[in-house]
Amino acid sequence: EPEVTQTPSHQVTQMGQEVILRCVPISNHLYFYWYRQILGQKVEFLVSFYNNEISEKSEIFDDQFSVERPDGSNFTLKIRSTKLEDSAMYFCASTRALGLASAQYFGPGTRLTVL
Amino acid sequence: SQQGEEDPQALSIQEGENATMNCSYKTSINNLQWYRQNSGRGLVHLILIRSNEREKHSGRLRVTLDTSKKSSSLLITASRAADTASYFCATDALVFQGAQKLVFGQGTRLTINP
Repeated sequence: EPEVTQTPSHQVTQMGQEVILRCVPISNHLYFYWYRQILGQKVEFLVSFYNNEISEKSEIFDDQFSVERPDGSNFTLKIRSTKLEDSAMYFCASTRALGLASAQYFGPGTRLTVL
Repeated sequence: SQQGEEDPQALSIQEGENATMNCSYKTSINNLQWYRQNSGRGLVHLILIRSNEREKHSGRLRVTLDTSKKSSSLLITASRAADTASYFCATDALVFQGAQKLVFGQGTRLTINP
């Protein structure tokens, strides 16, 4: 069964460094998302992406964050200058259909640790 | 906010018993989804129920939705040790161009004791 994949599984970085988290959504999916989950807290929506542009972004998704679909398969989240509070699990997700009644399929996540 | 809130926050039962988890939300929804998360792992989609549906089954899972009360329940029958995980409900809001923003609750931590 097709699945969303994410790399790396764990990223450790120094505060102020740039990180790029990578995702390969399911191949025939059209919508792509990033979520994050700080340890012990809720899963929070960051951004949705469709047709090569951002559809919606949350308050968390400030100028330090950017997303890109550089080719037909990858979907990346970049954090330009990491902060301690960016430490979290980052999940990529994708859906196939145009919105209604579409399950979102999540990747296994990247654990980002900012020191 | 739209969020789903689960209760109880933690549930511990014996293997073979049924587990019921509840979710409440605040605003109108298109769909409600339930996910499972094993410790430190990703979210696994379990079941989606549309706002015009009242009940849905998938294997040992039964989900109900009461839009008048803005609540949903997830029942796992004949629980197994492998069901030990956190369970989240997520409500959705369609955003620009049909994208679907999920709002998650805090989750119920389910422990199945052998």
